[in-house]
Amino acid sequence: SQQGEEDPQALSIQEGENATMNCSYKTSINNLQWYRQNSGRGLVHLILIRSNEREKHSGRLRVTLDTSKKSSSLLITASRAADTASYFCATDRDTGGFKTIFGAGTRLFVKA
Amino acid sequence: EAQVTQNPRYLITVTGKKLTVTCSQNMNHEYMSWYRQDPGLGLRQIYYSMNVEVTDKGDVPEGYKVSRKEKRNFPLILESPSPNQTSLYFCASRFQGGSYNEQFFGPGTRLTVL
Repeated sequence: SQQGEEDPQALSIQEGENATMNCSYKTSINNLQWYRQNSGRGLVHLILIRSNEREKHSGRLRVTLDTSKKSSSLLITASRAADTASYFCATDRDTGGFKTIFGAGTRLFVKA
Repeated sequence: EAQVTQNPRYLITVTGKKLTVTCSQNMNHEYMSWYRQDPGLGLRQIYYSMNVEVTDKGDVPEGYKVSRKEKRNFPLILESPSPNQTSLYFCASRFQGGSYNEQFFGPGTRLTVL
């Protein structure tokens, strides 16, 4: 089963609105990352939050991490049509190597 | 330009015909990894490599082989492809500094096995 589970699976909003996506995971982690993917293309890294951090900002992005609940959220403020994409969370576990586990993703559609 | 390249980008083959998908990065990254992406399942890690000659299994290694003879290259080998390996494949790399580093992804290879 997937370590990361995103919620919702799909989200449709109007331009200018905020978009919130959630991610839950099952085991202890070193860090949690969010990526964006535009229709079947390569993933682009958005933001990384370490396990000892609770909140991080980057431009219009805000990420929170709650290790007690094993969950994270990604907030995109003032969304634009160009934000239309799939968003994935990924967790790194220290298993002697570094296994990365991705969730199934949230498909965001921003209507102009 | 810093990048991860994959070849080929598209491949249609038949069951049992050995194939190799190449991956190369020009960022001197220690860590490289292969993923497959299937609808509704997100990305699943196939194999990863911490450095030259150091590889380990991800979550779905069955039917795949890898090698890491040089730091910049990490080819994915399908010795006897089967239709259930039809998928979109991504290679990625990053610096190996306590895992607190983003992964850089290649453009993807869309493989169809008939």
